[in-house]
Amino acid sequence: GAGVSQSPSNKVTEKGKDVELRCDPISGHTALYWYRQSLGQGLEFLIYFQGNSAPDKSGLPSDRFSAERTGGSVSTLTIQRTQQEDSAVYLCASSSTGRRRTDTQYFGPGTRLTVL
Amino acid sequence: AQSVSQHNHHVILSEAASLELGCNYSYGGTVNLFWYVQYPGQHLQLLLKYFSGDPLVKGIKGFEAEFIKSKFSFNLRKPSVQWSDTAEYFCAVNAPGSGYSTLTFGKGTMLLVSP
Repeated sequence: GAGVSQSPSNKVTEKGKDVELRCDPISGHTALYWYRQSLGQGLEFLIYFQGNSAPDKSGLPSDRFSAERTGGSVSTLTIQRTQQEDSAVYLCASSSTGRRRTDTQYFGPGTRLTVL
Repeated sequence: AQSVSQHNHHVILSEAASLELGCNYSYGGTVNLFWYVQYPGQHLQLLLKYFSGDPLVKGIKGFEAEFIKSKFSFNLRKPSVQWSDTAEYFCAVNAPGSGYSTLTFGKGTMLLVSP
């Protein structure tokens, strides 16, 4: 596609429910990243995919957070048993290889998650 | 691990004023440096980037940034701002420790330009 797309754009859920956030990277990009943007914390890295594997998941805040990527394309970020502190904008980015120093990350519009 | 510090959280300027947003990073080795911008209601967009070479980098919309290695700085400048520059600006760095993969962002500077 022309850019990174994410769905849904907004998600409101109740505390304790599970949510799934989807990211569709730029066609042909092998590297995919998830970040979280929240008030007071700025933009925080969550997880990085190279193809379907995740060599760096150091930013996932707890074991309630998981992500997968299938077919080297679409990725899903799952948050189980959501808490109010999970409320944030979840951003996805992709880059062509993730291995070249000169790679640039291109960001999607984000999913705004609100946990009531 | 690298970190990024943006000096100002909020900046208010009048149109035609000059802009300089500070960014300092902590990492002793080779880094890539970026400025991203987020206009109201829009997604994060790349403004400019530095990988190597000329330390004065020109980006879109008349923005430029200067990499000063001795000061670990990458300040963003624009000689004359416009109302349409109202946005949040993020400085970011990636480094070999992350395989040049993940970005570390500053907390952002909200710029408000009054007409």
